[in-house]
Amino acid sequence: QQPVQSPQAVILREGEDAVINCSSSKALYSVHWYRQKHGEAPIFLMILLKGGEQKGHDKISASFNEKKQQSSLYLTASQLSYSGTYFCGTEDYGQNFVFGPGTRLSVLP
Amino acid sequence: EAGVVQSPRYKIIEKKQPVAFWCNPISGHNTLYWYRQNLGQGPELLIRYENEEAVDDSQLPKDRFSAERLKGVDSTLKIQPAELGDSAVYLCASSLDPRTGEAFFGQGTRLTVV
Repeated sequence: QQPVQSPQAVILREGEDAVINCSSSKALYSVHWYRQKHGEAPIFLMILLKGGEQKGHDKISASFNEKKQQSSLYLTASQLSYSGTYFCGTEDYGQNFVFGPGTRLSVLP
Repeated sequence: EAGVVQSPRYKIIEKKQPVAFWCNPISGHNTLYWYRQNLGQGPELLIRYENEEAVDDSQLPKDRFSAERLKGVDSTLKIQPAELGDSAVYLCASSLDPRTGEAFFGQGTRLTVV
């Protein structure tokens, strides 16, 4: 079952922060985050494997609340290069992996 | 190191015609995926291979779609006959360890069925 992402779209100015949420109705083994720019392949950002785990990548970080079956992606001090569509992908304990519908992020100068 | 290579990049065909897509994964990656991505949506898994074995093809429309991964390296995805609704981007990805690592995507093949 496809996870739910919110918001569907967000517009920021450079330097502003954003949070993208991903929630599932199923118990999750892992959450993956990808970014895709228009006309390009999705690029892996990070994977979260344990409940409560937080990982960081430059100014992009994420958390995983296993009990709530949710993950959040945090973008701080956004840059123009952060623009794109962010997808979460969730894997349940049956090794079923599915991408969410995506959140479109636009960073304006 | 070369990434995941797909060909062709673009394909336009008439409905009811056959079409095939080719994928060469990153060397050493045993796991290979085929995804379909419709405009404005997330990638949808069609089939996953571990080496030459299809371990998850539950979302593959088997009446018209087929895939193979001979020798556990390159893979081909075929549609026969194509329908208008098959227009999408077909993405191939590979992974060294899908449970703990990242998947690397190719540039995709944009299929237009007219």
